[in-house]
Amino acid sequence: AQTVTQSQPEMSVQEAETVTLSCTYDTSENNYYLFWYKQPPSRQMILVIRQEAYKQQNATENRFSVNFQKAAKSFSLKISDSQLGDAAMYFCAYRIPSNYGGATNKLIFGTGTLLAVQP
Amino acid sequence: ETGVTQTPRHLVMGMTNKKSLKCEQHLGHNAMYWYKQSAKKPLELMFVYSLEERVENNSVPSRFSPECPNSSHLFLHLHTLQPEDSALYLCASSQDLPGRNSPLHFGNGTRLTVT
Repeated sequence: AQTVTQSQPEMSVQEAETVTLSCTYDTSENNYYLFWYKQPPSRQMILVIRQEAYKQQNATENRFSVNFQKAAKSFSLKISDSQLGDAAMYFCAYRIPSNYGGATNKLIFGTGTLLAVQP
Repeated sequence: ETGVTQTPRHLVMGMTNKKSLKCEQHLGHNAMYWYKQSAKKPLELMFVYSLEERVENNSVPSRFSPECPNSSHLFLHLHTLQPEDSALYLCASSQDLPGRNSPLHFGNGTRLTVT
């Protein structure tokens, strides 16, 4: 069964510093997608970054980057130059790709990491 | 404008009440989802609709009844709920295309409290 584990319930970082959030997953699939979602106090889940498992290059989106280690089934999120607006709950998620029509967009989420940013 | 709008934002109901949660997406997507978010637990996928047809029902109790009248609207009808059903209920949508990866777009959720 596919599972996603986030071992850090809470993390804290100083403004302008760098922080890394951990995520591991378990799957027997070879081709899949991984995501990091951010949930601020507004409660809306916002996609931060995504990674296709067949791509060896780590995904980056501005200050957000991932360290994808497929053999280790690890998918950590690095936030550089942390800003106060980065404070939120961060969820790691795993998805099996859709190869046919219809909704198969089943995401499996971790329990989340609450990130606090100190001024 | 989030693209996915959920109402109400908060709901308090007794165990004998009947209420409905509403979700509307303005993104032209053809798939919609209900997720349940409880404290310290992973988000749980409840229902998936594709082109108004239910394609997944993850062993959700019958006191939760989804309805998808068209590709833009999704409802979750609630009746005789239990206190443990108190949670944040999130609606999401995606543009599913064969062989393509389309991310989920979430609404702001409805905070449900069952008394």
